[in-house]
Amino acid sequence: DQQVKQNSPSLSVQEGRISILNCDYTNSMFDYFLWYKKYPAEGPTFLISISSIKDKNEDGRFTVFLNKSAKHLSLHIVPSQPGDSAVYFCAARPSGGSYIPTFGRGTSLIVHP
Amino acid sequence: KAGVTQTPRYLIKTRGQQVTLSCSPISGHRSVSWYQQTPGQGLQFLFEYFSETQRNKGNFPGRFSGRQFSNSRSEMNVSTLELGDSALYLCASSRLAGVNEETQYFGPGTRLLVL
Repeated sequence: DQQVKQNSPSLSVQEGRISILNCDYTNSMFDYFLWYKKYPAEGPTFLISISSIKDKNEDGRFTVFLNKSAKHLSLHIVPSQPGDSAVYFCAARPSGGSYIPTFGRGTSLIVHP
Repeated sequence: KAGVTQTPRYLIKTRGQQVTLSCSPISGHRSVSWYQQTPGQGLQFLFEYFSETQRNKGNFPGRFSGRQFSNSRSEMNVSTLELGDSALYLCASSRLAGVNEETQYFGPGTRLLVL
């Protein structure tokens, strides 16, 4: 049973436009959420995170939105650049205890020039 | 500052063999976690070590084991390899463990193919 779901395996966007990557979770114990970016032949790189006490966190071109009631978060990239083409993983950590993250299966973003 | 290094980068084994993978964390990082990534799957947590002690273990069979040395370097071992063990094995390090805001830095991974 997937507790963190990224329902879109792939997303194609034109350079300069907005990319929106979505993530849904089922476990209400998750209270810290992270996005990672992964290029081929490299390990994932931390991008941005958000705590459940917030509904938005922004870092340059990247913004993460959290809707706790819907158990949904999204990553917005504005403007999208060809170098953003990568696989994006959403991850969630539970409150207290282990802090072990649960990852989604990833969304492959392709930004066309 | 050097990043997380993993050796070897690629490995081919046959069923029934055993394998040992190595991870050197970023200098000063005491927490090391291991993940398995298979095609179409997200990263699945294997185990986490901090100061030579296993803090957490994921839902994997006992054939998967690990350890951490006093210099924070870590190894994971898989015995009696099965075809389904073919995967990318990722190691991640951080300064601390059990802190949400602590960023994990991933190595490039070891790609294991079991024939």
